[in-house]
Amino acid sequence: GAGVSQSPSNKVTEKGKDVELRCDPISGHTALYWYRQSLGQGLEFLIYFQGNSAPDKSGLPSDRFSAERTGGSVSTLTIQRTQQEDSAVYLCASSPQGASFSGNTIYFGEGSWLTVV
Amino acid sequence: GQQLNQSPQSMFIQEGEDVSMNCTSSSIFNTWLWYKQDPGEGPVLLIALYKAGELTSNGRLTAQFGITRKDSFLNISASIPSDVGIYFCAGQRGSNYKLTFGKGTLLTVNP
Repeated sequence: GAGVSQSPSNKVTEKGKDVELRCDPISGHTALYWYRQSLGQGLEFLIYFQGNSAPDKSGLPSDRFSAERTGGSVSTLTIQRTQQEDSAVYLCASSPQGASFSGNTIYFGEGSWLTVV
Repeated sequence: GQQLNQSPQSMFIQEGEDVSMNCTSSSIFNTWLWYKQDPGEGPVLLIALYKAGELTSNGRLTAQFGITRKDSFLNISASIPSDVGIYFCAGQRGSNYKLTFGKGTLLTVNP
């Protein structure tokens, strides 16, 4: 597509349930990133994919969080046994390159707003 | 995780006024970026700075990369209602793909 597409745009889930958030990056972009934005906070790095591999998972808050990417394209961020503190906007971004990242080529999606009740 | 110190947290100004916001860090960054986020949207890049001391303009926006590499500011001249939104600074080290973000400045423009 023309831009980074994320779904769902909004998700309300009960505490303890699992959720999956999907990201469809810009076609041809090899690098994909997940960030989390909590209310009143800046964006917090979660994980980076280069192709289908994730060389940096250091930002994942706990082992309840996992992500995968298939076919060098779509990525899914999964949160198991959700907690209220997981409520946030989860933003996906993509860029044409990874290691030679240049800030002016990263594009963000509109985010998935997760509310855990 | 680590965040940049961004100020002010919020601003309420009259249309036509100039505004200024800044970010500071205890660590050196090689790239400074300024993003704007509208409600329900993802951040959109406004200006990218790659060299210490660099001053770059984009229309009514002007941003500078501090000489110490530990700070940056963004100025908006002659504000208009569509400037409303949250402005974020972000820093990047070397070729590291990871961006460190400030907490944002919420700008409100009164017509």
